[in-house]
Amino acid sequence: DTGVSQDPRHKITKRGQNVTFRCDPISEHNRLYWYRQTLGQGPEFLTYFQNEAQLEKSRLLSDRFSAERPKGSFSTLEIQRTEQGDSAMYLCASSLVFPSGGLETQYFGPGTRLLVL
Amino acid sequence: QKEVEQNSGPLSVPEGAIASLNCTYSDRGSQSFFWYRQYSGKSPELIMFIYSNGDKEDGRFTAQLNKASQYVSLLIRDSQPSDSATYLCAVMVSDTGANSKLTFGKGITLSVRP
Repeated sequence: DTGVSQDPRHKITKRGQNVTFRCDPISEHNRLYWYRQTLGQGPEFLTYFQNEAQLEKSRLLSDRFSAERPKGSFSTLEIQRTEQGDSAMYLCASSLVFPSGGLETQYFGPGTRLLVL
Repeated sequence: QKEVEQNSGPLSVPEGAIASLNCTYSDRGSQSFFWYRQYSGKSPELIMFIYSNGDKEDGRFTAQLNKASQYVSLLIRDSQPSDSATYLCAVMVSDTGANSKLTFGKGITLSVRP
C-alpha cells in the first residue's frame, strides 16, 4: 500500500492522559499536514511540515499539542493532558511540491479516531 | 466568519439524475479548489481539483470555477447510489508558505435514491 498510513486507527483514553499518533506519508512526499475533524464539520488545519521544518501552526493548536517530523519522513502528533473536547478524527495528509511551483494536491490517510472519556 | 460555505443540505436525487453541489469562498486570492468525497466513518478522498475559470470534466464529474463570483461547483452526472456520501469543498490560497493549508467547508451530504 503506497498511500498515507496512520496509526492507531482508533484510540480511547481517559481525560488527563497523553496520546501520540503517527503518520507515514506517501513515499517522497515532502509536505505533511495534520487536520482535525469533528462530527458534522469539515477538517480543520492544525499544522504542517515541509521536510522536517514545521512551517505553520494553527491557533487551534494549544500548548498541549505538539507535532514533530524529525527526519522529514513520518510525523507524530502528541496531545498532552487530553480533554473531552479533544475527541475528534485526526487526519494526516501529504503532498509533493516542487521549487518551481505548480498545483499542490493533498492526499489523506485513514485518520485516527480519538475518544476521550 | 466561515471562509468556505456550502449549502447545508442534505441533497437527495434519484438514480441517474444530475447532482449539483455548490460552494462559495471569501478569499479572492484563493488559487486552487478541490472537491473531496467522504464516506461515513472514512477519510476524505480527492475526486476533483480546478484552478482555472471554466469547467473541468473527469468522467461523470465536472468541476466549475468562477473566480469573479468566488464560486465553485461540482456536477455529478448519472448519479449512482455509490455516490451517496458527504462532499467537501476545499480551498487553497497558494502553494507557498503559510497559505498552502486547505480550508474546508462543512460539506454537503448527497443521497442518491435507487
